Amino acid sequence: DTAVSQTPKYLVTQMGNDKSIKCEQNLGHDTMYWYKQDSKKFLKIMFSYNNKELIINETVPNRFSPKSPDKAHLNLHINSLELGDSAVYFCASSPQGRGGGETQYFGPGTRLLVL
Amino acid sequence: AQSVTQLGSHVSVSEGALVLLRCNYSSSVPPYLFWYVQYPNQGLQLLLKYTSAATLVKGINGFEAEFKKSETSFHLTKPSAHMSDAAEYFCAVSTNTGNQFYFGTGTSLTVIP
Repeated sequence: DTAVSQTPKYLVTQMGNDKSIKCEQNLGHDTMYWYKQDSKKFLKIMFSYNNKELIINETVPNRFSPKSPDKAHLNLHINSLELGDSAVYFCASSPQGRGGGETQYFGPGTRLLVL
Repeated sequence: AQSVTQLGSHVSVSEGALVLLRCNYSSSVPPYLFWYVQYPNQGLQLLLKYTSAATLVKGINGFEAEFKKSETSFHLTKPSAHMSDAAEYFCAVSTNTGNQFYFGTGTSLTVIP
């Protein structure tokens, strides 16, 4: 069974469209994360949720909105897609998300290409 | 503030040679340090982590790393490179004030037959 899964794996869309990426973890973890990996492979945290509560919200355009219907799911909705949004988006989870030192478990990534 | 610097964005080694990937960190509080590996078109997989126990940490696939506070380093090594080690390697730091990870810019390892 996949621990952290993401759908879709690939997403090709036009500028201006709205799209969503879904993430689910079956590890029973309390905390989930979204990362963006740019074309130079640099990974940056975007958001983090602990038990459906937003705890990390980095400087990300308002067009990006995370939603956590329950602690096993963290979805990412993107409005008015721009060329610069093209990247690989990774979902991750960790057991508690507090106190540091916890391993984060990553999904396979969603490769978004905006044309 | 916490940050990680990985020296050398590309490293090439011959099969069977020593692998050394460098990571230096900056942290105002005791850090937790991680190495992750990313194979092509896949997610990140934990290799090993340092959480203030033993300074020499052994991970999967024969990798190990040593935490050196005096040098603020956490370099990753493997005695003998295998073709299957070709991948992107990321060093990351977090602290006990939260579980936010700060990643380095990654090192791409090429193994030459």
